[in-house]
Amino acid sequence: EAQVTQNPRYLITVTGKKLTVTCSQNMNHEYMSWYRQDPGLGLRQIYYSMNVEVTDKGDVPEGYKVSRKEKRNFPLILESPSPNQTSLYFCASSSHLSGGERGEQFFGPGTRLTVL
Amino acid sequence: QKEVEQNSGPLSVPEGAIASLNCTYSDRGSQSFFWYRQYSGKSPELIMFIYSNGDKEDGRFTAQLNKASQYVSLLIRDSQPSDSATYLCAVSYNNNDMRFGAGTRLTVKP
Repeated sequence: EAQVTQNPRYLITVTGKKLTVTCSQNMNHEYMSWYRQDPGLGLRQIYYSMNVEVTDKGDVPEGYKVSRKEKRNFPLILESPSPNQTSLYFCASSSHLSGGERGEQFFGPGTRLTVL
Repeated sequence: QKEVEQNSGPLSVPEGAIASLNCTYSDRGSQSFFWYRQYSGKSPELIMFIYSNGDKEDGRFTAQLNKASQYVSLLIRDSQPSDSATYLCAVSYNNNDMRFGAGTRLTVKP
């Protein structure tokens, strides 16, 4: 089954304790992205990657790190989480269409993070 | 600043009616336009995408794009209670930067 998986689904942690949220896709997609979703603000892109070893900042990259060592995996790292990073996080992947357009994004199930 | 604007709603329509959802965007360089549906507590799922001016129909859904007016809309015909969800408009700039609107909450009343 084609899917994007994220782990963990729920996480409660404390300020300053490093954490990693994993993301994996089995569709051989080139593009992968991380978003956070907050009430009234919609989805905001944190980081994206166009392929292995190619990453770039989105709208709200401060406080986050990513890596793309393999095509299928795109982990999100919070080195020193703070309460303002409490949010719902989504990983997404998409293909690169022949006309250059970005194809449909498939979203993971989400990770609800609470930083105390 | 590249903005994507949607009315937050809630938009309420009776079952069987046409629901009209609107989205405006600020950057004329936008290339690709998407409508996602998100049920409460779930991840977004793609309904429609459109790249060219005009209308694109898929079943009960029609996406309309007007690049001159920087406007994209989604029409849902014969609305059903199962269509009740938040609808997210997304705009892609240079196929890398993807911007989402805050979403419009739609309620279809039986």
